Amino acid sequence: DAGVIQSPRHEVTEMGQEVTLRCKPISGHDYLFWYRQTMMRGLELLIYFNNNVPIDDSGMPEDRFSAKMPNASFSTLKIQPSEPRDSAVYFCASRPENRHTGELFFGEGSRLTVL
Amino acid sequence: AQSVTQLDSQVPVFEEAPVELRCNYSSSVSVYLFWYVQYPNQGLQLLLKYLSGSTLVKGINGFEAEFNKSQTSFHLRKPSVHISDTAEYFCAVSEQAGTALIFGKGTTLSVSS
Repeated sequence: DAGVIQSPRHEVTEMGQEVTLRCKPISGHDYLFWYRQTMMRGLELLIYFNNNVPIDDSGMPEDRFSAKMPNASFSTLKIQPSEPRDSAVYFCASRPENRHTGELFFGEGSRLTVL
Repeated sequence: AQSVTQLDSQVPVFEEAPVELRCNYSSSVSVYLFWYVQYPNQGLQLLLKYLSGSTLVKGINGFEAEFNKSQTSFHLRKPSVHISDTAEYFCAVSEQAGTALIFGKGTTLSVSS
């Protein structure tokens, strides 16, 4: 399997621009998670989906952030408008339905820099 | 609510020395516990996990961890580290009935010769 695939790997943009991060989970995985990693806060859970339905978005920082999962093989995280404090590495992770293993499979991350 | 505290943000050690990375958690329910490793510019990989059973868990690359329920700890150990173990290590917890992992802030392990 190719693993969790994220794009772009690196994004540099200017404040106020829209940013879209993409994720393709591992085929057959029913859960998809978006995390944000910063030096100050570490790894924060932003939102997660089960069978394409958002289950918990309490970690989404504010209305500028939105996430969608239109089908089982694709998810997006959008920031509009972007701000310098959004600079971080954004990780997507997935796992199968069997909750007893608990293990998440991570992508390599999207490093966002907002100038 | 669950939380994870990694007591050391940075741990420098010499090659072939033993190392312990400390992790404490808080939760009002039964939990699963994990250690992940992150090499530079990469995603996180699972090192080991505790779900149930034996409290001593062995993982990849010679790492092991011990679950101590009374002390709510899950410390990671390796008897002899290598330069290639230099990385960021994350402790994580999830409720047994829950879904998402909550991560600690990470410990940077730096191994030098």
